[in-house]
Amino acid sequence: GIQVEQSPPDLILQEGANSTLRCNFSDSVNNLQWFHQNPWGQLINLFYIPSGTKQNGRLSATTVATERYSLLYISSSQTTDSGVYFCAVHTGGGNKLTFGTGTQLKVEL
Amino acid sequence: EPEVTQTPSHQVTQMGQEVILRCVPISNHLYFYWYRQILGQKVEFLVSFYNNEISEKSEIFDDQFSVERPDGSNFTLKIRSTKLEDSAMYFCASSSDSVTEAFFGQGTRLTVV
Repeated sequence: GIQVEQSPPDLILQEGANSTLRCNFSDSVNNLQWFHQNPWGQLINLFYIPSGTKQNGRLSATTVATERYSLLYISSSQTTDSGVYFCAVHTGGGNKLTFGTGTQLKVEL
Repeated sequence: EPEVTQTPSHQVTQMGQEVILRCVPISNHLYFYWYRQILGQKVEFLVSFYNNEISEKSEIFDDQFSVERPDGSNFTLKIRSTKLEDSAMYFCASSSDSVTEAFFGQGTRLTVV
């Protein structure tokens, strides 16, 4: 099956800093989503981005499907951004999402 | 904004007991899913459901598990004879079709003791 790797696995930032999270996948995809898992365990939809670039406030994401990666940018980080960020992909031939390994982000004052 | 709702938020059960986790998907969605996340690990697919039948399932989804859409709004996951290793967060999700954005519920944290 498809492999989805995220980097870095852990990241500590000072409040106000910017960061880039990466998601690499091993096969072509027809759907890619980014999620934020908050400290209470909830999965919050950030982006549905099979290709191209999207922005939502301080967050933006870019997927380059032909090169099999996606990037999530967080600017001016806040403590509420802490948690785990997952990318998840959907490939042809099924309808499940395969989740990546996650990036654990901690934003400190 | 429409959302997927799950009940209960937490459940503690004795090993060997049966549990039913409940979900109300977004009303106009046609595809329903269950995923689980063991503490500290990534989210894993269990099963997808479309047109009143299972459309795909993982190796994890063995005879211990079953899903049902008992009426027009609910979607349930039944775990029979629970084991300690079934302790996890279980997420329900729904989507309007098989490749569009999936929306997740807040999860049910199952603890088997």
